[in-house]
Amino acid sequence: AQTVTQSQPEMSVQEAETVTLSCTYDTSESDYYLFWYKQPPSRQMILVIRQEAYKQQNATENRFSVNFQKAAKSFSLKISDSQLGDAAMYFCAYLTPFLAGGTSYGKLTFGQGTILTVHP
Amino acid sequence: DTGVSQDPRHKITKRGQNVTFRCDPISEHNRLYWYRQTLGQGPEFLTYFQNEAQLEKSRLLSDRFSAERPKGSFSTLEIQRTEQGDSAMYLCASSQTDEKLFFGSGTQLSVL
Repeated sequence: AQTVTQSQPEMSVQEAETVTLSCTYDTSESDYYLFWYKQPPSRQMILVIRQEAYKQQNATENRFSVNFQKAAKSFSLKISDSQLGDAAMYFCAYLTPFLAGGTSYGKLTFGQGTILTVHP
Repeated sequence: DTGVSQDPRHKITKRGQNVTFRCDPISEHNRLYWYRQTLGQGPEFLTYFQNEAQLEKSRLLSDRFSAERPKGSFSTLEIQRTEQGDSAMYLCASSQTDEKLFFGSGTQLSVL
């Protein structure tokens, strides 16, 4: 079974500084996706960034970037120029397509989450 | 694109009562998922629909839980004879492709 581990229950950063959130995963699959989701107090799960396992290039979305180390099964999120609005729970998630009823679908496995606090 | 809508946002019930939650996915999405999230944890997969067919159910979905998606549009999740351990956030998501899921804001259930 796939597992996702986030070893940092809480992290904090000063506004405008950079912070890195860690994530490791375990899988025997070769075809999968990795995600970082943000969950603010509103509880809406918001996709931050996505990485396809077959791509060697690390994904980047504006101030958010990842360090994807496939052999080490590591997937960290770097937030640059942190803003107060970045404060939230961050979840690392793994997805591999499953077959059901003749079609495929994606089942997400989430880590335990990291609470990020941004100090002004 | 109005997003995934869930109703109600909050539900408080007494142990032993039945509750039903509704999810309206993004209109063109044929894939619909239910997840459960307990306090301080990441969401856990409960079940998956492709159109109106329920194709996958987690072992977390006991026989007190039933989900439907009539006509392949909205979905309902019913919990019978609720227990305190059912208290959680129930999240619905929909997608058009395998890997891009859109989540609703969830229904927070509190069982007293």
